[in-house]
Amino acid sequence: QVQLVQSGAEVKKPGASVKISCKASGYIFSTYDISWVRQAPGQGLEWMGWISVYNDKTTYAQKLQGRVTMTTDTSTSTAYMELRSLRSDDTAVYYCARNYGEDYWGQGTLVTVSS
Amino acid sequence: DVVMTQSPLSLPVTLGQPASISCRSSQSLVYSDGSTFLNWFQQRPGQSPRRLIYKVSNRDSGVPDRFSGSGSGTDFTLKISRVEAEDVGVYYCMQGTHWPYTFGQGTKLEIK
Repeated sequence: QVQLVQSGAEVKKPGASVKISCKASGYIFSTYDISWVRQAPGQGLEWMGWISVYNDKTTYAQKLQGRVTMTTDTSTSTAYMELRSLRSDDTAVYYCARNYGEDYWGQGTLVTVSS
Repeated sequence: DVVMTQSPLSLPVTLGQPASISCRSSQSLVYSDGSTFLNWFQQRPGQSPRRLIYKVSNRDSGVPDRFSGSGSGTDFTLKISRVEAEDVGVYYCMQGTHWPYTFGQGTKLEIK
């Protein structure tokens, strides 16, 4: 069965970086894009961007440009999302989703940014 | 960015009764090919989001037929014909026509 399993919770200081993994199984990894969505505590959803696993083409939300990098490792069927220069308002649960969220999502990774 | 505005933000409903959520976009969601990329997501407590409806009115696989979507242009509606206990959660409309994709603020459905 299809699964997206994300890495565990992280606590970071302002200015640091975080890299979250999303390991896919149960399907051919290269045939679907991976999207990243985040949700601040008690807040709504924010689409961060996506990566084409096929050709590594990325599309990022403009507000995150320069701070976010999405990558994949096809040898391990794993997608990664790195966010740099963390601020307190980056505290959120980060989700990966297959393609554009139409079917499978990861369980979410809580990133807490606090001094 | 396209602003998605939902109402109401809180929706107490009696079991077995209908429910309706409105979603308005700040600009038309009709894409150049004529498609309208308006989706509805459900997020149950403690769970990841789940898409229910895509392109305004198409139910995703496994979604009960008590859920229906309608609308056009900038005004959209999600309806639940008879609310069940498992429908408790937050519902989000989301537009996928203009980048960045954006969500509404969410409507919290609870059982009265």
